[in-house]
Amino acid sequence: GAGVSQSPSNKVTEKGKDVELRCDPISGHTALYWYRQSLGQGLEFLIYFQGNSAPDKSGLPSDRFSAERTGGSVSTLTIQRTQQEDSAVYLCASSLVVFRDIKYFGPGTRLTVL
Amino acid sequence: QKEVEQDPGPLSVPEGAIVSLNCTYSNSAFQYFMWYRQYSRKGPELLMYTYSSGNKEDGRFTAQVDKSSKYISLFIRDSQPSDSATYLCAMKGNDMRFGAGTRLTVKP
Repeated sequence: GAGVSQSPSNKVTEKGKDVELRCDPISGHTALYWYRQSLGQGLEFLIYFQGNSAPDKSGLPSDRFSAERTGGSVSTLTIQRTQQEDSAVYLCASSLVVFRDIKYFGPGTRLTVL
Repeated sequence: QKEVEQDPGPLSVPEGAIVSLNCTYSNSAFQYFMWYRQYSRKGPELLMYTYSSGNKEDGRFTAQVDKSSKYISLFIRDSQPSDSATYLCAMKGNDMRFGAGTRLTVKP
């Protein structure tokens, strides 16, 4: 069956530009997460969507970061005015609400800000 | 001090060796413990999930949790080149935290 997909797989951008990263979760998974993975760092939680509830945005590092989830499925993470420190792999994961600890991760988007 | 500490390695072992991967943590609220395996250019995939202290075995993999010492381990027996990956520990209480990952290479 189809897993979590993310696009693009790689994104190179110039400092100051905006970027959009897309995540397609597993069908039927109502919980969706975004994480950031930097070299030598653990996965850093960014944002969590659960059904129609208000998202948990507590992990977003600055107001340059935002995310939305349309129709309870596809999600887009937007980074405005990118900075070099935003360079990382951005991972999306989805899960069933009753098994939230069992997360299924996508392959990630590798973002490089020049 | 980070809530979860994991030696990033890299760790290189010969095929057939027993591998020991470890994490320590400081938050007593962590009750659920997981190990994820991440191949290069891929997302992490869940390998082991445990709740209580003690051992849990799945094939060549054994997860061990010692809550009194706040220490968890993953053992890989008869390691194979296909086990070469980064292994991340994760733990959950009120929130979920991941270790930085240990990069393992198993040489044929």
